[in-house]
Amino acid sequence: EDQVTQSPEALRLQEGESSSLNCSYTVSGLRGLFWYRQDPGKGPEFLFTLYSAGEEKEKERLKATLTKKESFLHITAPKPEDSATYLCAVETTDSWGKLQFGAGTQVVVTP
Amino acid sequence: DAGVTQSPTHLIKTRGQHVTLRCSPISGHKSVSWYQQVLGQGPQFIFQYYEKEERGRGNFPDRFSARQFPNYSSELNVNALLLGDSALYLCASSLDGGETQYFGPGTRLLVL
Repeated sequence: EDQVTQSPEALRLQEGESSSLNCSYTVSGLRGLFWYRQDPGKGPEFLFTLYSAGEEKEKERLKATLTKKESFLHITAPKPEDSATYLCAVETTDSWGKLQFGAGTQVVVTP
Repeated sequence: DAGVTQSPTHLIKTRGQHVTLRCSPISGHKSVSWYQQVLGQGPQFIFQYYEKEERGRGNFPDRFSARQFPNYSSELNVNALLLGDSALYLCASSLDGGETQYFGPGTRLLVL
């Protein structure tokens, strides 16, 4: 059975304190891995898509990487506005268009 | 450009009632997917529609149904509401279903 697991469940950071979030997956065949950011009570906001091991994508203070079994979202020198829940999702080769999400990592960045 | 829009934003229903949620995709997108998100969990896939045809269905009972219209907007219907149906219902659109999905703000449903 396909599984997506995110860790840690919650992360509290001081402003400027860099850290990484983990998304490990067990799927039959990976078509793509997606990172989203979700603010309380709102819909997920798209951040990155990764398709193959070794791929990296960057946007401002965020960098996503992908290996054959996991993905990392690195937050460099975070600011309070980076506080959100970060969701990881996978799309498999036999479930086209169906995203399977992890439970998310709730990040709080304090000034 | 307008993003994905959903209506209503909030809804309160009682057990046994029926609800209809609506979604308009990003202009040019032909695929709409529906997800249910309960508090503290990631979204769970309910349906995907592409060119008005159902392309995928998640593990939800037959009380849940959906359709897509010629203008690519979509409706999600839930019959015989249960307390456990209380959740944030998310609509996502994509160009053809296999590309990146962009989410709307969601409809918060509370069943009493």
